[in-house]
Amino acid sequence: AQSVTQLGSHVSVSEGALVLLRCNYSSSVPPYLFWYVQYPNQGLQLLLKYTSAATLVKGINGFEAEFKKSETSFHLTKPSAHMSDAAEYFCAVSDRRNRDDKIIFGKGTRLHILP
Amino acid sequence: DAGITQSPRHKVTETGTPVTLRCHQTENHRYMYWYRQDPGHGLRLIHYSYGVKDTDKGEVSDGYSVSRSKTEDFLLTLESATSSQTSVYFCAIKADSYNEQFFGPGTRLTVL
Repeated sequence: AQSVTQLGSHVSVSEGALVLLRCNYSSSVPPYLFWYVQYPNQGLQLLLKYTSAATLVKGINGFEAEFKKSETSFHLTKPSAHMSDAAEYFCAVSDRRNRDDKIIFGKGTRLHILP
Repeated sequence: DAGITQSPRHKVTETGTPVTLRCHQTENHRYMYWYRQDPGHGLRLIHYSYGVKDTDKGEVSDGYSVSRSKTEDFLLTLESATSSQTSVYFCAIKADSYNEQFFGPGTRLTVL
C-alpha cells in the first residue's frame, strides 16, 4: 500500500526566507509523486510532478522538489518566500506502473508567510 | 484549466434531506473522482468513475452514491444528509498521462 506523510501541519517562514515543506512517501512500487497547492476557497492546483525523467523537478511559482529514493522523500522548496505563497500544500503519490491508479494524498501543510 | 465546474458552489441543508452535487467536465476524460476535504484529514476519496455507468467506492463511501450517465457529468448523492457530511466536496478528473488529477472549485456543504 502507498502512503504519504507530510511533516508539520503548519509551517511559518519570513518573507524572503527559504521555504521547505517535507514529504516522505511509502511505496512498494515505483511512484509518481506530486505537489499540489490550495489557495483559500479554491480547488487544488498541480504545482509539480515527478515522473522519473529527472530527480529535480521544477514547478510553477519558483517551487521545486527533489526525489530522493534512498530517503523516500520528495521535499518541496522555494529559495525566497513571497506573501502570495501563503496556502495549503499537499504531497501525493501514485503507482507509476499503473496508469489507472488513484492518487493518495497527504494531510497537507499550511504555509504561513510572516512579514 | 481542465474545464471542470461544480454545482452548486454552496449549499445549506437539513439533516435527513437528499442532496445531489454535480460535476461537469468539458474535455471528455474517462476518469472522474469525488473527494471530501476536512480539517486534519486532507482529501479522502468517496467514489470514482472509470467510464459511463462504471463506478467504484473509495475509502469513505458510506452514505454516498454516485451516477455517471454521460461522460461529462458525475453526480454525487447524499441520500439522507447527516451533520457528519458537512464538508467541502471536490470533483477531479485524471489527465491521460502520469496519473495527475485536476480539480474543480469545490462545493461547500453544510448540513444543519
